[in-house]
Amino acid sequence: EAGVAQSPRYKIIEKRQSVAFWCNPISGHATLYWYQQILGQGPKLLIQFQNNGVVDDSQLPKDRFSAERLKGVDSTLKIQPAKLEDSAVYLCASSLNRASYEQYFGPGTRLTVT
Amino acid sequence: AQSVTQLDSQVPVFEEAPVELRCNYSSSVSVYLFWYVQYPNQGLQLLLKYLSGSTLVESINGFEAEFNKSQTSFHLRKPSVHISDTAEYFCAVSDGAKKLTFGTGTRLTIIP
Repeated sequence: EAGVAQSPRYKIIEKRQSVAFWCNPISGHATLYWYQQILGQGPKLLIQFQNNGVVDDSQLPKDRFSAERLKGVDSTLKIQPAKLEDSAVYLCASSLNRASYEQYFGPGTRLTVT
Repeated sequence: AQSVTQLDSQVPVFEEAPVELRCNYSSSVSVYLFWYVQYPNQGLQLLLKYLSGSTLVESINGFEAEFNKSQTSFHLRKPSVHISDTAEYFCAVSDGAKKLTFGTGTRLTIIP
């Protein structure tokens, strides 16, 4: 069974530029999560999707971050414009459904904003 | 609100020695507890979980954790570590909404 795929693995941009990350969850997983992991901290949930609907985006900085999962499969997270403090690893995870406690994580995208 | 505290950011241990990684949580509701492991350049993997039932849970690679409600702890232990256990370990708590809150992680380094 293929795992959660993410791309790119690494990205370096200058502040005020835009960036997008892509995630393809495990086939058949209805629930998809985006986390931000700043160096030295644990992952923090940014947004949770159930199929193509948003379940929880309470910690997403909506003035600069956006995410979509239009067809209920893969998802894109965008930052526009980026700030220095956005430097982090962005993790995507998926689970079978909202009732499932087990989340499967992708390898992450390491973003550096200079 | 729920939170997780991992007091030890780094733990060096000699190979074949025992190890304990500490995790304390706070939550106002029933909790479900998890340990995730992150090997270098890889994503997080679920190591073990406590949902209900026996307070002692085990993983397939020799780790175990015990849920202690009175001490609000879920410490991770292994009686004899191996070089391959070198990784970062994250404790996490979830409430009924399945939302995970992670600790800051403990980097386990095995010394040959």
